[in-house]
Amino acid sequence: DTGVSQDPRHKITKRGQNVTFRCDPISEHNRLYWYRQTLGQGPEFLTYFQNEAQLEKSRLLSDRFSAERPKGSFSTLEIQRTEQGDSAMYLCASSLAGGGNIQYFGAGTRLSVL
Amino acid sequence: QKEVEQDPGPLSVPEGAIVSLNCTYSNSAFQYFMWYRQYSRKGPELLMYTYSSGNKEDGRFTAQVDKSSKYISLFIRDSQPSDSATYLCAMSPGSGNTGKLIFGQGTTLQVKP
Repeated sequence: DTGVSQDPRHKITKRGQNVTFRCDPISEHNRLYWYRQTLGQGPEFLTYFQNEAQLEKSRLLSDRFSAERPKGSFSTLEIQRTEQGDSAMYLCASSLAGGGNIQYFGAGTRLSVL
Repeated sequence: QKEVEQDPGPLSVPEGAIVSLNCTYSNSAFQYFMWYRQYSRKGPELLMYTYSSGNKEDGRFTAQVDKSSKYISLFIRDSQPSDSATYLCAMSPGSGNTGKLIFGQGTTLQVKP
């Protein structure tokens, strides 16, 4: 068990480009969460999956954002037509459903939109 | 008004001091309370986890929850320079819910040698 893994660690892109991030959760965890964190703020919830089902999406998740977890294991978060306001740290967390839902976070993907 | 309020600091203390970090919240449905430590440009690391009211101790760290006052605290004893980081409180409603965490803004702590 190597913890939650995120790739890439840092992504620099030009405005208008599409980007995709990957998250590999702790292997036995069935819940996977995406959060966004801007400088000086705490993480904000974006969306979560239980197994392969996406069960909740925040209003922060505009239609340019899409997330998938096709086989209930790894997940991808895609941002289309990136904007400078999308620059942030994108964090992935995983947990077991129930029992307090203790979430463990990855190191994050830092997105810089130029 | 935010659901979870946390003073961003920064908080600067000398090595060996006792540190008190606090959060207040407004949602009485919160049942699970966590403290995460985050070093610069890293992901949050779980420090402490408590359910409902009460105290929990782990080494130099003590977490307290007072649900009647909607107030949680993290105490760090014998603080070390390696404790310098941002401390995030997080909370969520009871089981059966999505379990998404609501975070405070984070308090930046600097422990000076």
